[in-house]
Amino acid sequence: SYAPTQPPSVSVAPGEAARITCGVNNFAGRSVHWYQQRPGQAPVLVIYYDSERPSGLPERFSGSSSGNTATLTITRVEAGDEADYYCQVWDSSSDHPGVFGTGTKVTVL
Amino acid sequence: EVQLVQPGAEVKKPGESLKISCKTSGYTFTNYWIAWVRQMPGKGLEWMGIIYPGFSDTRYSPSFQGQVTISADKSISTAYLQWSTLKASDTAMYYCARHRLVSDPFDLWGQGTLVTVSS
Repeated sequence: SYAPTQPPSVSVAPGEAARITCGVNNFAGRSVHWYQQRPGQAPVLVIYYDSERPSGLPERFSGSSSGNTATLTITRVEAGDEADYYCQVWDSSSDHPGVFGTGTKVTVL
Repeated sequence: EVQLVQPGAEVKKPGESLKISCKTSGYTFTNYWIAWVRQMPGKGLEWMGIIYPGFSDTRYSPSFQGQVTISADKSISTAYLQWSTLKASDTAMYYCARHRLVSDPFDLWGQGTLVTVSS
């Protein structure tokens, strides 16, 4: 499959950190963006170009990438962070240039 | 206010045609790409394709090439997603979203149009 792989689910206690991974064959030359989708709502951008944060977004959200994996980290998790999270990998040379990852459901215990 | 406005829902029968809209406002329509994203019930996001209204440059995912048509009307700052023959498997939520450069993130999304295809 061409879709970047994400763990189906991550469970975390309030106040702890959640880490969501996004795996592709090679991130070189690619851009990674992350979106949050709460139930019944449209997605919202939370991280762009691997680690940039949109204005107004809490610093608890951060992104990084290394090798074949990009990671979204949410520190001091709150109940409102419970949502589905998707990575998006841009590869202009691919047949699927704007492909989304498989998605991760974050559950706050 | 910058926004993308989509109709809430459409109900059609198999074999019918459909064109859904994404009406934009608050920014220069021809300076941004518009993307269409499908989300089938209980499933993830799927990138369908994009259009740059300034040049009518259009690109499709191979999964959707030939199945849908993406277009735009610069005079009314509106993008469209169109089917000529709907199938039950087209039942899904469809989002439009804008991005500045082709590899830029989608910084603004519409609220989505729920398309239901059922006999």
